[in-house]
Amino acid sequence: GESVGLHLPTLSVQEGDNSIINCAYSNSASDYFIWYKQESGKGPQFIIDIRSNMDKRQGQRVTVLLNKTVKHLSLQIAATQPGDSAVYFCAENFGNEKLTFGTGTRLTIIP
Amino acid sequence: EAGVAQSPRYKIIEKRQSVAFWCNPISGHATLYWYQQILGQGPKLLIQFQNNGVVDDSQLPKDRFSAERLKGVDSTLKIQPAKLEDSAVYLCASSLDSYYGYTFGSGTRLTVV
Repeated sequence: GESVGLHLPTLSVQEGDNSIINCAYSNSASDYFIWYKQESGKGPQFIIDIRSNMDKRQGQRVTVLLNKTVKHLSLQIAATQPGDSAVYFCAENFGNEKLTFGTGTRLTIIP
Repeated sequence: EAGVAQSPRYKIIEKRQSVAFWCNPISGHATLYWYQQILGQGPKLLIQFQNNGVVDDSQLPKDRFSAERLKGVDSTLKIQPAKLEDSAVYLCASSLDSYYGYTFGSGTRLTVV
């Protein structure tokens, strides 16, 4: 069936550096993508979203890139801070109003 | 605005017992979701409500799980009888419009022993 997957389960980045978290999706019909951040003991927190008619969207210190040709999504976090340490999930929407989540990438910021 | 409220935060039960979780979505949010998140995995949708009607319950194990949303506001998710593999975090989420990002609650961590 359709699925959302992540390339790397863990990522360690030096504080102040930029980080890139990648995600592959398999359904070319997906038209809406979201990145969530989940800290220990908390529910997923919305970070940024992007629709399939865009290839880039920027927020505060975060940028999401969408490459529909290779079905790839990435989340870039600039100038990482200790508070960025968390598990990051990408999720896709097939248009049926149901988000499908990937496994997640654990980002660790090294002081 | 207030967030999505869930209770209890933690629950430990023995297998074959029953358990219920409660969710109060953000005021005005018509769409409510229950997700199951097993340790080390992404959340998996169990059921989706639009107001008080079920939109999608295709992945809800209906032989043991049930959910309702009375008056299109609060919702409860019940498991009876529980199995060891039901140990997970149960997340409730709501959205104003189902085509936008959800707001999640903090979840209920269930341990079945």
